[in-house]
Parts: sequence; structure tokens; C-alpha cells
Amino acid sequence: NAGVTQTPKFQVLKTGQSMTLQCAQDMNHNSMYWYRQDPGMGLRLIYYSASEGTTDKGEVPNGYNVSRLNKREFSLRLESAAPSQTSVYFCASSERGPGYTFGSGTRLTVV
Amino acid sequence: KQEVTQIPAALSVPEGENLVLNCSFTDSAIYNLQWFRQDPGKGLTSLLLIQSSQREQTSGRLNASLDKSSGRSTLYIAASQPGDSATYLCAGGDSWGKLQFGAGTQVVVTP
Repeated sequence: NAGVTQTPKFQVLKTGQSMTLQCAQDMNHNSMYWYRQDPGMGLRLIYYSASEGTTDKGEVPNGYNVSRLNKREFSLRLESAAPSQTSVYFCASSERGPGYTFGSGTRLTVV
Repeated sequence: KQEVTQIPAALSVPEGENLVLNCSFTDSAIYNLQWFRQDPGKGLTSLLLIQSSQREQTSGRLNASLDKSSGRSTLYIAASQPGDSATYLCAGGDSWGKLQFGAGTQVVVTP
């Protein structure tokens, strides 16, 4: 099925551990995004990539890094996880707005 | 910075009643306004997108309006059904496709 695929779906980390969240889309979209969703809050943008080879910070980039590996893949890395990074992470892709498609999310708990 | 607010945070209606969901935004230089649906534990599904030059969009029982001068968008769902129970999020988009989300309105439609 066409769409955005995120792995893993669930993850528990200890404080200080690192991990990479993977995201891939097969719709040939140029733009890709990483958002986080916390209880009672809307989604907040962490990083985005307007096209292959470019990345820019969003609203809450601290503690994260990203890599746009190719047009299909956009990964999010936590170098040293903190409890404040416990959240649900969503990857999305679009063509400058129209056709916004979200992945099913990664539920991350940092203990 | 664009700020998006959704009131109320939760809403319960009997089946068959029309739903009216409100969204307000602070920056009238909005590129587009999008409405999404989120089911518990799931990703977001795009419902309607209104470009800044448009006043409304319709899809089946759903109709969304946009009034840039007052900073408001409204999502109407006609003849609600229990399957419409979900959280509805609105988001203001910029020309790069970045979205600023409201916190959402949780809707329960009772049989």
C-alpha cells in the first residue's frame, strides 16, 4: 500500500541511550517532516526536509538530528535520550501542502 | 508565529445531530488550512484542505470554511454517526508545507 512507513512502532529507552527512528515514503513526495505529539497538545514540528539533500529546524529541534538519506527516506536520531523526549513521533510527507500523508507513529518511552 | 486554537477540547453529541468544530488562528497570512482526523493510537488522516484563496471545501458529509479576516475555520459534519467519533485537528500551513496544529477536539457521537 502506498504511504508512509515508520519503524519501530514502539520503543523503550533508558536515559542516555541513542536510537534512530526510520521513515520511508513511496509517493515520490519532495517534502518530509518529523512531528511529535504530547498529551493535550497538538503536533509540533521537530525537523523538515523540503527536498532531497536539505533539512531545516522546526519548532522543537533540540536533542534531535535528522538525515534525508534519499528522496524516500528521512530518519530522526536521538543521540542521548531524555525523559522529556517521551512522546509519539509522526513522520509525514507532502508536496508543499496538498497530499499530506502521515505514518502511523512511533510510541517512545524514555525511562 | 502562527498559533492555532481549537475550542472546545471535547464534545459529545447524539447520533444524527450536526457537528460544528471550531478552529482559530492568529496569522491571517496563512497559506492553507487543513483538517485531520485521528483515531486512538493511530496516525492522522487528511480530511479537507482549504487554500488561502478559497472560502470552503466539501467532501461528502464534511464541509470546511475559511475566513482569513476573522482568523477562523469551521468544520461541519452533517448527520453525525458513531463512526465519526475521533479527535479532529486543524492545522495552518505555510508555503513550505510546515503545519502549526491546534490541540484538537475530541468528538464522541452516542448511538
